[in-house]
Amino acid sequence: DQQVKQNSPSLSVQEGRISILNCDYTNSMFDYFLWYKKYPAEGPTFLISISSIKDKNEDGRFTVFLNKSAKHLSLHIVPSQPGDSAVYFCAASDGTQGGSEKLVFGKGTKLTVNP
Amino acid sequence: KAGVTQTPRYLIKTRGQQVTLSCSPISGHRSVSWYQQTPGQGLQFLFEYFSETQRNKGNFPGRFSGRQFSNSRSEMNVSTLELGDSALYLCASSLFVGGTGELFFGEGSRLTVL
Repeated sequence: DQQVKQNSPSLSVQEGRISILNCDYTNSMFDYFLWYKKYPAEGPTFLISISSIKDKNEDGRFTVFLNKSAKHLSLHIVPSQPGDSAVYFCAASDGTQGGSEKLVFGKGTKLTVNP
Repeated sequence: KAGVTQTPRYLIKTRGQQVTLSCSPISGHRSVSWYQQTPGQGLQFLFEYFSETQRNKGNFPGRFSGRQFSNSRSEMNVSTLELGDSALYLCASSLFVGGTGELFFGEGSRLTVL
């Protein structure tokens, strides 16, 4: 059973517009959520995170929103740039089961930003 | 500072063989975790080591094992390779353990089993 789901395998947006990547989870014990970005032939790199006690975290062009009641989080990128084209992974951790070293990942969403 | 280094980057093995992958964490990082990435299953947690002790293990068969050395470097081993073991194996290190800090990933070791 997939505890973290990214239902959109791909997303295409125009440069300058907003990109919204979605993620759903089933495990109510998850208390920390992260987004990683991955370029081809590279390892994932950390992008932004949010604790379950918050509903929003912002870092420059990137904002993550958490809706605990819906078990849903989203990543907003505004404005989108061609360099943002990558695969984005949503990940979650349960602090009682090992913390951030034992992450449960979604299968990723490939974002393409067209010039 | 240097990132997480994984060797080898690419390797090809045949069914039944075994393989050892190596990971050098970022200097000062004592926690090392391993993940397997496949097209069908995505990124899946294998195990995590801290101070030469395995802290957590994912749902993988006993053919998958690992260890950590006193200098925090880590190795993982897969014995009796199967076709389904073909994957990108990613190592990640972190400064703290059991917390909410970010993981720093290496570029991975791509294993192909024929």
